[in-house]
Order: sequence, then C-alpha cells, then structure tokens
Amino acid sequence: DAKTTQPNSMESNEEEPVHLPCNHSTISGTDYIHWYRQLPSQGPEYVIHGLTSNVNNRMASLAIAEDRKSSTLILHRATLRDAAVYYCILINFNKFYFGSGTKLNVKP
Amino acid sequence: DVKVTQSSRYLVKRTGEKVFLECVQDMDHENMFWYRQDPGLGLRLIYFSYDVKMKEKGDIPEGYSVSREKKERFSLILESASTNQTSMYLCASSSTGASTDTQYFGPGTRLTVL
Repeated sequence: DAKTTQPNSMESNEEEPVHLPCNHSTISGTDYIHWYRQLPSQGPEYVIHGLTSNVNNRMASLAIAEDRKSSTLILHRATLRDAAVYYCILINFNKFYFGSGTKLNVKP
Repeated sequence: DVKVTQSSRYLVKRTGEKVFLECVQDMDHENMFWYRQDPGLGLRLIYFSYDVKMKEKGDIPEGYSVSREKKERFSLILESASTNQTSMYLCASSSTGASTDTQYFGPGTRLTVL
C-alpha cells in the first residue's frame, strides 16, 4: 500500500502561517490525499482533501506537487486551538494508510 | 451533525477476558471502521464493514473479531484479551466507500489489559 512520511513534530508561533509537509512518493493515480487532525483527547477530524489541484476551505489550504509525490497543508494563521497531530492519508476507496502524523505545537 | 459514539471512554480488563467495544453512528452511514492507535505508530485499521453483516480485515485483524448486525452499530470483540491489546481504540464511519468520503470518528476508548 502507498504510504506517507511526515515530520514527527513542528512548532509555530500564533498568528503565523504553518506549512505541514507530507511525502507520498509511491502514490498511485487514483489515490486521494486527505488530511485529518486530532486534537488532544479527541478522535481525528477531517481537514481537507484533494487529488491533483490545490484546494482551499475554511480550515486550510492543500498544495499538491505537480508529480503528486508530496503535498503541504497550509494553516494561514495558526491559533492555539490548532495545536494537534496532523495526519496525511492516502485513500483509494476503502484502502487507506494513516501515518504517524506531525504534532504541531503553537506558541503564544 | 454526524455523531459517532463509543460505549466507554476508559476500560480496564484482565488478561483472558472477552471484551466488547461498541460503536454507534446516527447518520445512516454504510461504512464503519475500527482502528487502534499506539504512540509512534499512528492509526492502524483493524476491521471495517461496508454493509450490515459484511466485514473485511484491515492491517492488523489478529486477535480481534467484529460484528455488524444493524447498520448503525459496529462492535469490536477481543475474544481473549492480552496485554499487548492495551491501546486507544477509535471507531469511525463514512457515508460510502468513495475516495472523497469523510470519515467521522468517535472520541475513542482507552483500553487497559492487566
């Protein structure tokens, strides 16, 4: 199965943009790239997903490399409530892989 | 809003006990999933179900079984609990099996096996 690689942790200052990278060099043409985040003591929640084009929603933006072997989740202005573990996942129908995620620490 | 509930937030069991973890979703979703989450390993899929009475193995099904008798309910069963099954268990549901589908997660059950 295709897999993802993310840094274990990252740190950001409040009110600044955050770029969370994900490598998925074995991605197949039909794999969708999803991002979820897990706040402390909660289950993961959906953030955003895309296939080839960059995507924006109210929570974040997703930038996908032209060769689709990497992607970046962009939080435009980090807040303390964005401190969480962020997972980059490849999904192809009911086949998916959750990596170990990136723990984002946001400093006031 | 979609709601996925799990029967317990914390559970302590003894080695060899039979353990049932229950999950209920209220949005008529076709698919339901059971994951376990361990430090450094992220989420790993145990089993999923795409319809009533249907199930498929995930990446780590050994030592577990599941039951889906009703669409809204998906149970994870540990036939004989062992200490290496101490973990956080997360249930999720999604509308269909489409690659664009969102999974909705419950709050998790932290199981400790002594």
